[in-house]
Amino acid sequence: DAKTTQPNSMESNEEEPVHLPCNHSTISGTDYIHWYRQLPSQGPEYVIHGLTSNVNNRMASLAIAEDRKSSTLILHRATLRDAAVYYCSSRNSGGSNYKLTFGKGTLLTVNP
Amino acid sequence: DTGVSQDPRHKITKRGQNVTFRCDPISEHNRLYWYRQTLGQGPEFLTYFQNEAQLEKSRLLSDRFSAERPKGSFSTLEIQRTEQGDSAMYLCASSGNRGGNEKLFFGSGTQLSVL
Repeated sequence: DAKTTQPNSMESNEEEPVHLPCNHSTISGTDYIHWYRQLPSQGPEYVIHGLTSNVNNRMASLAIAEDRKSSTLILHRATLRDAAVYYCSSRNSGGSNYKLTFGKGTLLTVNP
Repeated sequence: DTGVSQDPRHKITKRGQNVTFRCDPISEHNRLYWYRQTLGQGPEFLTYFQNEAQLEKSRLLSDRFSAERPKGSFSTLEIQRTEQGDSAMYLCASSGNRGGNEKLFFGSGTQLSVL
């Protein structure tokens, strides 16, 4: 299973962009990169995912390095509601289970 | 679509007792996953079902743990002879059938405390 490495914590100010990095140097060619976030006492919530190309949705953007060994989740304008633990994960699609493998995540603090 | 439901939300038990948790996935999802999460850690994979078949079990799933998904609908996770080390959040997730290119939907989890 591919291992992911993220900074333990990051801080941002409200309405500023946030770039959350992730290293996944052992990812295989068919594994998707998924990002989820988790608030206290809740299950993880899907944010975005991609394979090779950069991806955008209403929540965030995902920039994937050309060699796929790293990616960056971009929150364009952080709000207080974006304060959460953000997990970068790989989703195995080469086998038969498609499970998500999570790292320890990055705790994002958003200052008003 | 009511999302993934887990019951109970919280469970406090004494060491040595058996506990059972239930997960109701999103109705059209054929894939169901159980994860365990301890404080400060990311979720750890426990087991996976495709329909009613349990296709993978993690090494974390000792013989005191058993999971079922009869008829490919809801799932149960039972822990026998609980130990204090079993205290954790147990998360259930489900997804559809498009492989890695599909997101997982998680429930709110069952928080287990073993005294």
